[in-house]
Amino acid sequence: QLQLQESGPGLVKPSETLSLTCTVSDDSMSSPTYFWGWIRQPPGEGLQWIGTISYSGTTSYNLSLKSRVTISKDMSKNQFSLKLSSVTAADTGAYYCARRGKGYVWGQGTLVTVS
Amino acid sequence: DIQMAQSPSSLSASVGDRVTITCRASQDIKNYVAWFQQKPGKAPKSLIYAAISLQSGVPSQFSASGFGTDFTLTISSLQPEDSATYYCQQYHSYPHTFGQGTKLEIK
Repeated sequence: QLQLQESGPGLVKPSETLSLTCTVSDDSMSSPTYFWGWIRQPPGEGLQWIGTISYSGTTSYNLSLKSRVTISKDMSKNQFSLKLSSVTAADTGAYYCARRGKGYVWGQGTLVTVS
Repeated sequence: DIQMAQSPSSLSASVGDRVTITCRASQDIKNYVAWFQQKPGKAPKSLIYAAISLQSGVPSQFSASGFGTDFTLTISSLQPEDSATYYCQQYHSYPHTFGQGTKLEIK
């Protein structure tokens, strides 16, 4: 069964860059069927879509974050990554990676604190 | 951006009740809607995709309908484990926006 697992620092200093990696447990990154994305959730709040990368490497980002966000992928490692620069306390929250195909598969999430 | 107006923001219902949550999109999004269930401290779980298709492994008490701008998620017979927050999301256009969530409490 497909699993996605987020990894990265749980604590990031203000003005630095948040870097997270999502590791995919199967070979579905080699399929053009799927899109790979990041979603975040500030404490006590709702879900916010951050961005997506396609099989071909095309990226789409939330415009509110666009100047600070980069999503990339490494199919040889079955991984895709998120970088968010110049972080502030407002970037604190749970970060989830997900695969969108026929429905979504989510990672378990990782909590990132900016402090 | 496409706005997803989700209602109600919270509701309380009894075991066995039929519950309906709605999402209204600010423009036509065809059937590009997903529904998620999230329990406290946990990742969201996918329930529905393409507006009406049940994700594999999701109990059949969950169903959904809609096309265009109006969408609904229905739980036909509420169970205690259905206590959670439910979100809709449109994936017709970037950014893929979420509704603000519906917190469902079991009486």
